[in-house]
Amino acid sequence: EAEVAQSPRYKITEKSQAVAFWCDPISGHATLYWYRQILGQGPELLVQFQDESVVDDSQLPKDRFSAERLKGVDSTLKIQPAELGDSAMYLCASSGYTFGSGTRLTVV
Amino acid sequence: KQEVTQIPAALSVPEGENLVLNCSFTDSAIYNLQWFRQDPGKGLTSLLLIQSSQREQTSGRLNASLDKSSGRSTLYIAASQPGDSATYLCAVSFRNRDDKIIFGKGTRLHILP
Repeated sequence: EAEVAQSPRYKITEKSQAVAFWCDPISGHATLYWYRQILGQGPELLVQFQDESVVDDSQLPKDRFSAERLKGVDSTLKIQPAELGDSAMYLCASSGYTFGSGTRLTVV
Repeated sequence: KQEVTQIPAALSVPEGENLVLNCSFTDSAIYNLQWFRQDPGKGLTSLLLIQSSQREQTSGRLNASLDKSSGRSTLYIAASQPGDSATYLCAVSFRNRDDKIIFGKGTRLHILP
């Protein structure tokens, strides 16, 4: 069964450092989403891509977060500099809402 | 503002009981509604997807219903088992298939052996 791949599974970083997450959606899926889930909350959309174009990044803190999907396939989400409040699960989803296993980020 | 609310936030029931999880949403003009399961520290697993034209969907011991006019959905779990312990999330797509989905905060379910 096709899956959405995410890496790393876990990441611990010090505040003010840079961190990056990677997502490879199901082959052929044009839409890709990055969600952030704070402990005890539901996931919230950070950015949505259609192929290589950003469709919605209204909730992305653009002063420190960036996302790219250069060839319309895999995607990278970056945080620079990381803050304590960025500690969360970062989830990637493919068209039709198949989710990856997520990256759990802890900022210390 | 489009919102999704889930009640209760947490629920503990003895093994074998039937139970109902509730979800409400603010805008009746939805495209579809999904129920997800999330185990601690894991990603999301889609359980049931209900299109706006449907009233319910069933998979095994799970049954999800949709009442757009009242802005409500329920997830019914029959004959609960300890393995059903997880967080259950309701999510609504309001415009189309590829629109962002808005999640509730989830119900943490604990089935007591």
